[in-house]
Amino acid sequence: DADVTQTPRNRITKTGKRIMLECSQTKGHDRMYWYRQDPGLGLRLIYYSFDVKDINKGEISDGYSVSRQAQAKFSLSLESAIPNQTALYFCATSRQGDPYGYTFGSGTRLTVV
Amino acid sequence: GDSVTQMEGPVTLSEEAFLTINCTYTATGYPSLFWYVQYPGEGLQLLLKATKADDKGSNKGFEATYRKETTSFHLEKGSVQVSDSAVYFCALAQAGTALIFGKGTTLSVSS
Repeated sequence: DADVTQTPRNRITKTGKRIMLECSQTKGHDRMYWYRQDPGLGLRLIYYSFDVKDINKGEISDGYSVSRQAQAKFSLSLESAIPNQTALYFCATSRQGDPYGYTFGSGTRLTVV
Repeated sequence: GDSVTQMEGPVTLSEEAFLTINCTYTATGYPSLFWYVQYPGEGLQLLLKATKADDKGSNKGFEATYRKETTSFHLEKGSVQVSDSAVYFCALAQAGTALIFGKGTTLSVSS
């Protein structure tokens, strides 16, 4: 089993729908992150959480929300999806004692039509 | 704020050619620097890292040296293989913050 699991792997949704992307990890890491990848733009940070009670906005948080349900689970929601949120979304984890040792999930490819 | 700039691609090389992908950064303090690689259809994997000035990171024949005076962390490989075809991301991090990535450089190696 993967250390960082993202579900679903692929999703097509309609404009205006609410959608949740889920991330779970077995690394025992306390820090979790959501990034978005667009061609030519690299990875941009949406939200990050350093522990269960800590949530921080990243560079492009507008239109997104997150929930840290447990140390191992970090969900990203699009309250009302729009086409320019079509992208590849990555969850990542790291540990406080090793803040540079990130582990990435395999990504969720989201298409909003 | 902190940022990373890397050369635009795509970079197209023949097998056994020398590779350089340029990366420069802007940051306060003394960040750690990284190269990540993304193979087709996969997530990101750490390729190498350097945590202080003059450190050299190396892995799988790839190298990069942390140059504080030029704020650079260029990726090099002496002889690329077809299997090196991927997207390469330069990134930086400082304590208490998340990784900041460059826009990525696509490398295509032909036999």
